[in-house]
Amino acid sequence: DSGVTQTPKHLITATGQRVTLRCSPRSGDLSVYWYQQSLDQGLQFLIQYYNGEERAKGNILERFSAQQFPDLHSELNLSSLELGDSALYFCASSVGLLRQGLYGYTFGSGTRLTVV
Amino acid sequence: GDSVTQMEGPVTLSEEAFLTINCTYTATGYPSLFWYVQYPGEGLQLLLKATKADDKGSNKGFEATYRKETTSFHLEKGSVQVSDSAVYFCALSKAAGNKLTFGGGTRVLVKP
Repeated sequence: DSGVTQTPKHLITATGQRVTLRCSPRSGDLSVYWYQQSLDQGLQFLIQYYNGEERAKGNILERFSAQQFPDLHSELNLSSLELGDSALYFCASSVGLLRQGLYGYTFGSGTRLTVV
Repeated sequence: GDSVTQMEGPVTLSEEAFLTINCTYTATGYPSLFWYVQYPGEGLQLLLKATKADDKGSNKGFEATYRKETTSFHLEKGSVQVSDSAVYFCALSKAAGNKLTFGGGTRVLVKP
C-alpha cells in the first residue's frame, strides 16, 4: 500500500456520461497530481493542486476538471465522455513544492476507465 | 519544453542477463531524475532517483548515474530475474515546475 488511495479501481460507463474519480493523498502530502496513461499517449500530466489551489495545468481537456478539498483529497471530473477517454488515471502526491524534486512522488494504483 | 526519451521496447532477456535501458532528457537547469517501475496491473513505484550531476541512484540491484554532460540517466542491472518483468519509466522533475515529465516507457520481459 503506497498510502495514496484511488477510488474506484474500475469504472465502465457510456459515451456522453460524466464520472468522478477520487484520490486521497498520502498523509502529510500537500500536492496532488493527476496523470492519464493511455496506450498511444503514454503518461500525460493533467493537473496539479497544492494545498487546495491549482498549481499547474498540463494536457487537460476542457471537458475535464479537478479540485482539491480542505481535507486535501482530490477529485477529477470527466464529462461528455468519449471512447478515447478510456485510460488509466493515476493520482500522485508529494510533500510540497520545495521538496518534491528531492523526494519524488507516491502514486496510487489508478482508476481504469472504460468508455463504451 | 522539457522532454524525456527512452528506448522503445519490448526488451526480451533471459534470466541473469545484463539489462540496460537508455534514457536521455532535454531540460533547462538542473532537474531531478527518476526511474519508476510499473508491474502488471499495478501503479508506478519509485525505483531510484538522483538529484544532481554525477549522483548514482541505486535500489534492488538497479543503478543509474546522472550524467549532465550527456543529459542521460541510463538504467542498468547486472543480473535480471523473471520478477523484473515490468514497464520502466524514466522521468524528470524541475523544482520550479514541480510536475513529473515521463518518457514513453520500456517494457522488459525476462524469460526463465
